[in-house]
This record gives sequence, structure tokens and C-alpha cells, in this order.
Amino acid sequence: DARVTQTPRHKVTEMGQEVTMRCQPILGHNTVFWYRQTMMQGLELLAYFRNRAPLDDSGMPKDRFSAEMPDATLATLKIQPSEPRDSAVYFCASGLGTQYFGPGTRLTVL
Amino acid sequence: QKEVEQDPGPLSVPEGAIVSLNCTYSNSAFQYFMWYRQYSRKGPELLMYTYSSGNKEDGRFTAQVDKSSKYISLFIRDSQPSDSATYLCAFGRGDSSYKLIFGSGTRLLVRP
Repeated sequence: DARVTQTPRHKVTEMGQEVTMRCQPILGHNTVFWYRQTMMQGLELLAYFRNRAPLDDSGMPKDRFSAEMPDATLATLKIQPSEPRDSAVYFCASGLGTQYFGPGTRLTVL
Repeated sequence: QKEVEQDPGPLSVPEGAIVSLNCTYSNSAFQYFMWYRQYSRKGPELLMYTYSSGNKEDGRFTAQVDKSSKYISLFIRDSQPSDSATYLCAFGRGDSSYKLIFGSGTRLLVRP
């Protein structure tokens, strides 16, 4: 049963700390998306990759967020330093046309 | 004008009712149309996917697309309490980006 996996599922941290979220896309999917979901803004696209190359990261605050894909089976999203306004659920999705979402990382920044 | 408009609800219906969920859009470049279902504290899951105007049926679910009116709908027949979730419409341009534009979601509650 192919699915997108994400770790950690939950993260509580203090303001100023570095946060790293990881995603394993479905094997064979060469396009990976990072989203953030909040009650106020809904689902926002932060960045996406094709064949491990970043294609668009215009949705990310550049000064504190970074996204990478070190290999075809791992995508990472880092926040440094984290702020309370970064509290949200972060989803990774993979696919072409249709996107398949992971279970999300629920981040709370105190 | 927002690119996609979706009523946030909540929509509360009794079990067995027919549910109609709707989205309007303004971008004529949208080529494919999707509905995702998101249970509380879960990731969105793809429910329906269609390219063309008209109806597409899958079990109790029917997706309807009207490109001329820029309007899509999801109908749920014989609704069940297990259908209680947030439903998000999503749109793709069919270009090489494969980016999707999501509606804000409609929260549905089916009462036993």
C-alpha cells in the first residue's frame, strides 16, 4: 500500500529553536510538494520539487524556511529560527496531476 | 476576486440525506478538477478526479463539472456519519507545474 510518510507526526518546540520535518514520497513519484494548513489560511503551498530540484519556493518565508530533497526518497523542510506564527500542520504530498498527501506534522511553537 | 470560492459551512444534515458541496472558480485555464476529503487530524485524501464537463460517478459520490459556468459540485447520496469531514475542491491548470489550487474546504456533519 504505497503512501506518503511524514515524521515527526507532532512537534512542540520553543521559539527560536530549529525544526526539521521529513517526508518520504511515494516510490516513483518525482514531484513533491510542501503545504502548510491553518484555520485562517487554509492549505498554502510552500514549495515543490521535481526530480529533486526546487521549482518554486515562493510560498515560503525565505529568511527562516528552507526545503531540500537530498535524495529521491527524502524531502525535508526546516524552520530556523521557529516562531509562534509557524504553528500549523505541515503536509507533504507527491504525485503528478493528482497529489497524495501524507498524514502531516502538527507543529506547535511556544 | 478569489481564484476559488468555497462555502466553509459547517453543513449539517441527517443520515441518509443527499449532500451537495460546491465550488466556483474564475480561472479558465483550469483543466482538471478534484475533490479531497479530510478527516479531523488527517491528511487530505483524493476522492474524485475529472477532466471534463459533465458527471462522474463513483459509488455514492458524483462529481459534476460545468466549465461554462465555472462551477463544480460533489454530491453524496445516502450520506453516512462516516462522511463527516471537510471536503476541499482542487483545481489544476494542466501545465507542467502540476500545482493545485485548493478551496478553503466545507465542513460536513452527518447526524445519525
